[in-house]
Amino acid sequence: DSGVTQTPKHLITATGQRVTLRCSPRSGDLSVYWYQQSLDQGLQFLIQYYNGEERAKGNILERFSAQQFPDLHSELNLSSLELGDSALYFCASSSLADPEPFFGQGTRLTVV
Amino acid sequence: AQTVTQSQPEMSVQEAETVTLSCTYDTSESNYYLFWYKQPPSRQMILVIRQEAYKQQNATENRFSVNFQKAAKSFSLKISDSQLGDTAMYFCAFDDYKLSFGAGTTVTVRA
Repeated sequence: DSGVTQTPKHLITATGQRVTLRCSPRSGDLSVYWYQQSLDQGLQFLIQYYNGEERAKGNILERFSAQQFPDLHSELNLSSLELGDSALYFCASSSLADPEPFFGQGTRLTVV
Repeated sequence: AQTVTQSQPEMSVQEAETVTLSCTYDTSESNYYLFWYKQPPSRQMILVIRQEAYKQQNATENRFSVNFQKAAKSFSLKISDSQLGDTAMYFCAFDDYKLSFGAGTTVTVRA
């Protein structure tokens, strides 16, 4: 157990819908990263937050948004879902003292 | 823009043998971290080993070791005494202010 908690583990939803994925980082970690991994693909960096502020942005679609709250948990919002958004979404967290990002188990999103 | 390249899509190794995975990266930064992650069929991302760019000594974790060549921007992973449980996808990752991953190398350990 990496200490990073992602909920839900699985999510099935219809095209056009909106979903929210939640991530609780390890205790004390201020950085949160979000990644998308499609079937048999690598990890695509979406966005990173540090202590509530957006720190880096990758190839995140305009239909996607994220935020990090004062208690440091983070949410990734996906709207107007398309079939191609079906993927495994990972959250990872790290700290200055422990800079290696630790990953949650991921949320498997299926859009039907 | 930083890039991470893993040139070997697939590698196969006999149990107890050694396999080396290659990784190159591109950056203009001098301080950064490099990682190797393992992703078994369960899809969990597991940190294998980490290297700080300012350290000349190559990192080692049990059967896993790296060959870090900063000038060449190369960061290879050696798995010694391969075990069946090492079968997984291995990702090289580069971190200066964001964590970027290579495309991955699938490693299959044969009995």
